[in-house]
Amino acid sequence: GESVGLHLPTLSVQEGDNSIINCAYSNSASDYFIWYKQESGKGPQFIIDIRSNMDKRQGQRVTVLLNKTVKHLSLQIAATQPGDSAVYFCAENMGGRTTSGTYKYIFGTGTRLKVLA
Amino acid sequence: AAGVIQSPRHLIKEKRETATLKCYPIPRHDTVYWYQQGPGQDPQFLISFYEKMQSDKGSIPDRFSAQQFSDYHSELNMSSLELGDSALYFCASSLGDGRTYVEQYFGPGTRLTVT
Repeated sequence: GESVGLHLPTLSVQEGDNSIINCAYSNSASDYFIWYKQESGKGPQFIIDIRSNMDKRQGQRVTVLLNKTVKHLSLQIAATQPGDSAVYFCAENMGGRTTSGTYKYIFGTGTRLKVLA
Repeated sequence: AAGVIQSPRHLIKEKRETATLKCYPIPRHDTVYWYQQGPGQDPQFLISFYEKMQSDKGSIPDRFSAQQFSDYHSELNMSSLELGDSALYFCASSLGDGRTYVEQYFGPGTRLTVT
């Protein structure tokens, strides 16, 4: 079935380097994506989102790139810090609000980012 | 800013017991989502409510039920608990203000341990 997944389960990065976390999605109808950061024992925290009519969006130290041709999403973290250590999830949404009024998101497998001192 | 509140944060139950998890969405948010997250797994959607009505259902077992109350808080009721129900349970909320795409904001979760 349709799914969202990540290429690498664990990514180790030296402090100060840039991190790139990837996500592949298979549903071509997905048109809205969110990246979440989840620290141990905490709930997923919204980082950044992007709509399918965009191919790049920047936030504070983070950039999300969307390549609809190959159904690929990436999260770039600049100057990675120890506080960035967490599991990162991408989530996809298809078509906005459902007929029943809510928004349905599908989460991909997370990638654990380890920042090395 | 106010966030999603969940209670209790930790819960230990025995097999075949029942449990009730509570979620208080961000003020003004009218939509609540429940997710289950097993160890090392991604959040799995269980059920959602919009304006106090059940909206979408995901992989929620028949032993579980949920509702959203007039003040928009939601409760997830779990009966005949099994060892496999041990997981983190997250509630998320969003505001259905007519936008096509809205963000979901997650609570801190309830860690349920079934022994």
